[in-house]
Amino acid sequence: GAGVSQSPSNKVTEKGKDVELRCDPISGHTALYWYRQSLGQGLEFLIYFQGNSAPDKSGLPSDRFSAERTGGSVSTLTIQRTQQEDSAVYLCASSPQPNPMDEQFFGPGTRLTVL
Amino acid sequence: GNSVTQMEGPVTLSEEAFLTINCTYTATGYPSLFWYVQYPGEGLQLLLKATKADDKGSNKGFEATYRKETTSFHLEKGSVQVSDSAVYFCALNTGFQKLVFGTGTRLLVSP
Repeated sequence: GAGVSQSPSNKVTEKGKDVELRCDPISGHTALYWYRQSLGQGLEFLIYFQGNSAPDKSGLPSDRFSAERTGGSVSTLTIQRTQQEDSAVYLCASSPQPNPMDEQFFGPGTRLTVL
Repeated sequence: GNSVTQMEGPVTLSEEAFLTINCTYTATGYPSLFWYVQYPGEGLQLLLKATKADDKGSNKGFEATYRKETTSFHLEKGSVQVSDSAVYFCALNTGFQKLVFGTGTRLLVSP
């Protein structure tokens, strides 16, 4: 079946602009996660959704970052007033349930470059 | 807090050599442990996992044993292939629904 998909695959933007990154999880997966992969910080957790609610937003680096999920499916990560340090690969993952023993299935990522 | 420490890379081996990538962790409670792999140009995918002490995860010739007494989850393979060249990430999940990753270890296997 279809895996996790993310769009766009690449995004180049200018400092100060807003960007939206989209994630389509595997159908039926109730848990959805956003991570960021950057050279300086490695792979870091941003936010987790169970259904449409976000019980854990602890990884969002600043109030410029927000995310929502609608219909228990698609999620959008929004970065306002982008900064150069936001340049990274943004990864989305999903799992059938929020079970810590279960695999998280990752999408291919969105590479964000802020000029 | 929870953390994962992996050996620095890159690890450079010849084909058919023995591989060990060390991973140790610090965690509250009893985490599940994972190895994820990122092949060149591909997304992150699960390689193997272990969810309780003394469990051994295995896949594609790779193995790792959950050692609670040494808080370790070292990845091993008896004979690596060129196609194993990738970045390997050790990770844990303590039940707070998020994976905590190590910094990743790049493996380069030459013919």
